[in-house]
Amino acid sequence: GAVVSQHPSWVICKSGTSVKIECRSLDFQATTMFWYRQFPKQSLMLMATSNEGSKATYEQGVEKDKFLINHASLTLSTLTVTSAHPEDSSFYICSAIRAGGATDTQYFGPGTRLTVL
Amino acid sequence: GENVEQHPSTLSVQEGDSAVIKCTYSDSASNYFPWYKQELGKRPQLIIDIRSNVGEKKDQRIAVTLNKTAKHFSLHITETQPEDSAVYFCAASRGDYKLSFGAGTTVTVRA
Repeated sequence: GAVVSQHPSWVICKSGTSVKIECRSLDFQATTMFWYRQFPKQSLMLMATSNEGSKATYEQGVEKDKFLINHASLTLSTLTVTSAHPEDSSFYICSAIRAGGATDTQYFGPGTRLTVL
Repeated sequence: GENVEQHPSTLSVQEGDSAVIKCTYSDSASNYFPWYKQELGKRPQLIIDIRSNVGEKKDQRIAVTLNKTAKHFSLHITETQPEDSAVYFCAASRGDYKLSFGAGTTVTVRA
């Protein structure tokens, strides 16, 4: 159990367009999901915390108007990269915590490779 | 915020030897310390974790030790195998579920 999926697995878009990435918990409910960004050969950097039914909490330096997060249900959070630019090209990974679970273990999605031309 | 430092950045070991990765953290309120293994282009996979009320935890060839006083924790892999080659990340959390990751260690196991 505890499977998290992401869609799409990779996407290529033109500069200036918007891209939506979905994160789903397939076999459990997740009140909290996280969005990370990972540049090549670097660590995971937390971008924001997504809570079901409320506004996301963004980490310092992350533009909330550029990275729109919506956590509309207990199994789905979406990240929309608006007006994407080449510097937004990265590996975006979500994670989820099981609602009501005994531990705070984060279950990671497989990631989405975004390339902005 | 929490700052996690990880050493070494790269580690090459002969198959069968042990590998040790060390991390330090800055926030004394941190109480959860997971270790992740990430293969190229894949998701991070939790391999072991430890909480602040425990000093050591072992799972087959993998062990983690925690020194709360010194604020450091270490990952030990014994009898390394080629499939252990990957990037390993340590992380720390203060109980708010948010993870601060170390910079990662690229482990190469030479056959």
